[in-house]
Amino acid sequence: TQLLEQSPQFLSIQEGENLTVYCNSSSVFSSLQWYRQEPGEGPVLLVTVVTGGEVKKLKRLTFQFGDARKDSSLHITAAQTGDTGLYLCAGDTGFQKLVFGTGTRLLVSP
Amino acid sequence: NAGVTQTPKFRVLKTGQSMTLLCAQDMNHEYMYWYRQDPGMGLRLIHYSVGEGTTAKGEVPDGYNVSRLKKQNFLLGLESAAPSQTSVYFCASTYNGRLNEQFFGPGTRLTVL
Repeated sequence: TQLLEQSPQFLSIQEGENLTVYCNSSSVFSSLQWYRQEPGEGPVLLVTVVTGGEVKKLKRLTFQFGDARKDSSLHITAAQTGDTGLYLCAGDTGFQKLVFGTGTRLLVSP
Repeated sequence: NAGVTQTPKFRVLKTGQSMTLLCAQDMNHEYMYWYRQDPGMGLRLIHYSVGEGTTAKGEVPDGYNVSRLKKQNFLLGLESAAPSQTSVYFCASTYNGRLNEQFFGPGTRLTVL
């Protein structure tokens, strides 16, 4: 069974701070996705990284895929209250299925 | 486009009752999925379908059945609900492409007493 462990599980910070969320596995994935989920809603795709070592930026969010395609990180610069939510990483197994991480709940206070 | 819709949004069942959750998508996607989300456990795949008339088991299929009679609909059934099936259920769909980027519905919150 392929597993994705996310850390930290919960993060509470002040507006303007920087943070990094990690997504680790012992398995190799063909690609890795990051989703954000707000209370009472379904997850929404933020980004997909495909190539080992790839870095993608989405405004203040920076996503990196590990060289061996087993891990990924999400870095947020100058967090805003609108970044509050549950962040989920998901690895593509290559068999039409995703394996989701355990999630990181982020709370950004004004 | 409505995207992915789920009905109902909320439901309370008694142990042993049955129900069907309906997922519909209007994006002509080939693949559809049912997940359950429990605190601290992320999303776990129950069943999925790679096309009309096909279904396959996911990570946690026991106690659930599914059907995909039409391409746009994916039904999840609970024949005899148990308290362990109290959860939030999400449906997702994606096109048949290289990247399995999934679009999710708003979820159904199910409580089994």
